[in-house]
Amino acid sequence: NAGVTQTPKFQVLKTGQSMTLQCAQDMNHNSMYWYRQDPGMGLRLIYYSASEGTTDKGEVPNGYNVSRLNKREFSLRLESAAPSQTSVYFCASRRQTHYGYTFGSGTRLTVV
Amino acid sequence: AQSVTQPDIHITVSEGASLELRCNYSYGATPYLFWYVQSPGQGLQLLLKYFSGDTLVQGIKGFEAEFKRSQSSFNLRKPSVHWSDAAEYFCAGPYGGATNKLIFGTGTLLAVQP
Repeated sequence: NAGVTQTPKFQVLKTGQSMTLQCAQDMNHNSMYWYRQDPGMGLRLIYYSASEGTTDKGEVPNGYNVSRLNKREFSLRLESAAPSQTSVYFCASRRQTHYGYTFGSGTRLTVV
Repeated sequence: AQSVTQPDIHITVSEGASLELRCNYSYGATPYLFWYVQSPGQGLQLLLKYFSGDTLVQGIKGFEAEFKRSQSSFNLRKPSVHWSDAAEYFCAGPYGGATNKLIFGTGTLLAVQP
């Protein structure tokens, strides 16, 4: 009963380095999402994929790219990390509209 | 702009006391709304949701919420708080009116004192 699995759980990057955050769900959900969580700001949507083969920008997409590799997997890439991208990143999935999200446990990223 | 607002950043209640966390929304149509809970270092867990019908919805862990259109509110309540309820609570609703993504409030951090 894995649900939504995010890897890695923790990561420290130097400014300018790149990395990919991985997310996979085993619930056959159609939609997948990437949010970042910062103190006092709640969760902000970075990118989402309403269905396999589609991706769209959210509220804060700058500095990020995504790939919906297949129905299960949705990755988030930082091409050139900046200290402002220090955050906790959450992946979520949802079967369809009006259903709640299922969240992963998060990736805590620090950019120094 | 359509939004979800949680006016209380931090609330402290005594164990056994009742709890009400506030959530206000601004949408033209009837929204679907959610409450999530996040324990320290964890992801978010769905507590309950309102889609349509009965305006009082029951959730897990003894929580309930009432949708009040006249007040644009969807407040979360619990009659008797347990120490294990200490966590951060997030209200969420449709993002910009779209049905395929959610916008979250900024959260309310609940502390429970003995």
